[in-house]
Parts: sequence; C-alpha cells; structure tokens
Amino acid sequence: EVQLVESGGGLVQPGGSLRLSCAGSGFTFSSCEMNWVRQAPGKGLEWVSYISSSGSSIYYADSVKGRFTISRDNAKNSLYLQMNSLRAEDTAVYYCAREDPTVTTSGYMDVWGKGTTVTVSS
Amino acid sequence: SYVLTQPPSVSVAPGQTARITCGGNNIGSKSVHWYQQKPGQAPVLVVYDDSDRPSGIPERFSGSNSGNTATLTISRVEAGDEADYYCQVWDTSDHWVFGGGTKLTVL
Repeated sequence: EVQLVESGGGLVQPGGSLRLSCAGSGFTFSSCEMNWVRQAPGKGLEWVSYISSSGSSIYYADSVKGRFTISRDNAKNSLYLQMNSLRAEDTAVYYCAREDPTVTTSGYMDVWGKGTTVTVSS
Repeated sequence: SYVLTQPPSVSVAPGQTARITCGGNNIGSKSVHWYQQKPGQAPVLVVYDDSDRPSGIPERFSGSNSGNTATLTISRVEAGDEADYYCQVWDTSDHWVFGGGTKLTVL
C-alpha cells in the first residue's frame, strides 16, 4: 500500500524551531517529487515547499522563504521540513504529498499523508 | 500572483448535479486539478489535468476547463460527496496555487 506518514508536530513557542518528517512506503520514494502543504485551522490549503526527486530543485512559498528548509534522504525514504523562526500564523496541519511519478513534473499531488499538527503559541 | 476564485459554498439535493467553479485569469491555458477533503481527513485527488480521473474515483466526477473558468461536476450527488473541494494549478511564478475551497452541502 502506498503510504505517507508525517511526524514531528507539536506545540512550540513563537521564534522556536521544529523539524517535521514524512516517511514514504509502498512506492519508489527516490523517484518521486515531494511537497509540503499546510492548512491553518478552518482555512484552505496552502502550498509550502517542493523538492525534486534528487533534491537538486527546491521551491518555497514566499510566506516561509528564509525560515523553512525542505530536504530528503532517499536512503531512508524520508522527507523533512525544518521550520525556524516560527510564527503564530504558521499554526496548521502540515501534509506531505507526492507528485504523480508517472508524469514528469505533473503539477498535482496524487498521494497525501494524514498530516501532523503544528501549534505556535506562548 | 495568480489567484483562483471559488464560491464558498454550493448546495444540492441528492441525485442532482453539483457544479463547482474555479475562476482564474486565462485558466483555460493551464491544467486544473481538483481535491476532495472530508472533515478531519487529508485531501484526495478526484480530477487531474482538467478532466482525468485517478483510479478509484467514480465516473460521477468530471471536470472541464475553458476561458477563465474551470468546473468540477458531480453527477447523481450522494450524501458521501459532502466535503470541501479545492481547485489547484501550477503557475510559473507562484508554483502550486490552490483555490480558497468550496463547501459542498448535500441537502
């Protein structure tokens, strides 16, 4: 079964840091482009960051640029999001999501994890 | 920045057809993708590349895209279709862009 499982969420104070992880299974992780997408409480979906299969191409939303760092370890079938200088507005459920691997740069996400919750509050 | 505009809510009776729109500047020139999200669950891809369906998605879900509007059509609506629906495109400047979402209510 194709699966993505996020972990690492929690409560952190403003200005603090947190590292999210996403473990992939049931597919060839190293061949897949990956994204992080977040959803603030009661709000819509917001794309956060993208990383290519090799890690050579990386993009960030303007809202997190300079504060968040995406990375991956294909040997461990894992995706990461290092979040620094966290703000209250970063409070959200964070999903990792796979780009369709059957199409080069598909532009859409065919598999999603269940998400991990990040709360930034004092 | 590229903006996608969706109606906040759409209501439909069971067995009828629901149409959810997604507006964007010349969106017809882009590929539009649609996600369904039920309360407390992760999004699920229901239509990609304007009108294709992933395996396992019922034929009742279809999509179209032309001009400045893309549309997700759900035929013979069932109670289980009640959810939030999001459109999404890839833009050269903003990368992955989502619409604000539409809450589908089955009366």
